[in-house]
Amino acid sequence: GEDVEQSLFLSVREGDSSVINCTYTDSSSTYLYWYKQEPGAGLQLLTYIFSNMDMKQDQRLTVLLNKKDKHLSLRIADTQTGDSAIYFCALTHSGGYNKLIFGAGTRLAVHP
Amino acid sequence: DSGVTQTPKHLITATGQRVTLRCSPRSGDLSVYWYQQSLDQGLQFLIQYYNGEERAKGNILERFSAQQFPDLHSELNLSSLELGDSALYFCASNPTGDTEAFFGQGTRLTVV
Repeated sequence: GEDVEQSLFLSVREGDSSVINCTYTDSSSTYLYWYKQEPGAGLQLLTYIFSNMDMKQDQRLTVLLNKKDKHLSLRIADTQTGDSAIYFCALTHSGGYNKLIFGAGTRLAVHP
Repeated sequence: DSGVTQTPKHLITATGQRVTLRCSPRSGDLSVYWYQQSLDQGLQFLIQYYNGEERAKGNILERFSAQQFPDLHSELNLSSLELGDSALYFCASNPTGDTEAFFGQGTRLTVV
């Protein structure tokens, strides 16, 4: 079956860049997403990338996709304390219909 | 605010009971998804409806069922509840089932 893996924890200093990584096994996914979940809150769509793209930039967020290595990353520039949350990588299922397969989530802790 | 509304926000019930979770998708969205987020299983896809019809089924237990009504709202019914059903249940929607999904705030179910 499909597998999406993320490291569980990342700690960065405020103002530094954060890089959250994700590896996956299903190479047929059309869309790859990053969602953010703050404590006690729902899932917020941060950004997504089409599988035919290598990079997408959206303000402080940069998504890089390496299809050969099946590796997706999210870079957050100038990380702020408000960025502290759990970040989920998600892929569309190869069976279509946009069913999402999620990673376990990376908890980002931003300290002064 | 994603535009997806879930009620109730919190629910506490006893083992063996039955509950109904409700989801109102974003205006105009025909597709509704249900996901379960638990500590041991992470985020798991349960089921998808599109314009009233079941479209895809994931790891949904037989004790669970869902439906989507003509006004496009959806309900997830959980019966014969067990302690292990305690989780955060998310609803998501999108217009046609092939674009990014927007998530509600979730319903936190606690079975005691």
